[in-house]
Amino acid sequence: NAGVMQNPRHLVRRRGQEARLRCSPMKGHSHVYWYRQLPEEGLKFMVYLQKENIIDESGMPKERFSAEFPKEGPSILRIQQVVRGDSAAYFCASQPPGKVSPLHFGNGTRLTVT
Amino acid sequence: GQQLNQSPQSMFIQEGEDVSMNCTSSSIFNTWLWYKQDPGEGPVLLIALYKAGELTSNGRLTAQFGITRKDSFLNISASIPSDVGIYFCAGPLSSGNTGKLIFGQGTTLQVKP
Repeated sequence: NAGVMQNPRHLVRRRGQEARLRCSPMKGHSHVYWYRQLPEEGLKFMVYLQKENIIDESGMPKERFSAEFPKEGPSILRIQQVVRGDSAAYFCASQPPGKVSPLHFGNGTRLTVT
Repeated sequence: GQQLNQSPQSMFIQEGEDVSMNCTSSSIFNTWLWYKQDPGEGPVLLIALYKAGELTSNGRLTAQFGITRKDSFLNISASIPSDVGIYFCAGPLSSGNTGKLIFGQGTTLQVKP
């Protein structure tokens, strides 16, 4: 049973470019969460999605960031016009239906903006 | 807003020693979670606590849900080199959803063989 798969593991972008981060949840998991981790800090909630629906995006920056979880395919976290402050590790986690089971995290995408 | 404060921030211990770390909150939680993060990887769930006063073990790890529901403790007995990593406590930001979490800032553990 494969775990949560994220790609790429490392992503380097120049300021102003777009970053696309992908996440495939565990089999049977219909809830996806994205978290951001800055160096030396804990993870911070960004967004919670179910298939074709954004349930809670209260942790997302208001501009440049968007997320989707289409009916087919992985969840995508998209950052437009990246800035140096976007450099961080972005983790995806999934959860089976029911919202009371603990999360299973992927190994993250480390974004570096130069 | 809600905050989770972990202490100590870091620990450097000898192999075989026991380790204690804790997590305190400014507000009440109904669930406490302890995760471990190895370098370059995502957090892995160690122990989940669901009831005030609950004491739960997972091998050499033991965690307790504080009776006030504002704190939790994690103990590691007889530490080994592979215990090295960052330990995070976490709690749900909204009741009924253990996916939307707030994390502490972590306790970094280093073990000297």
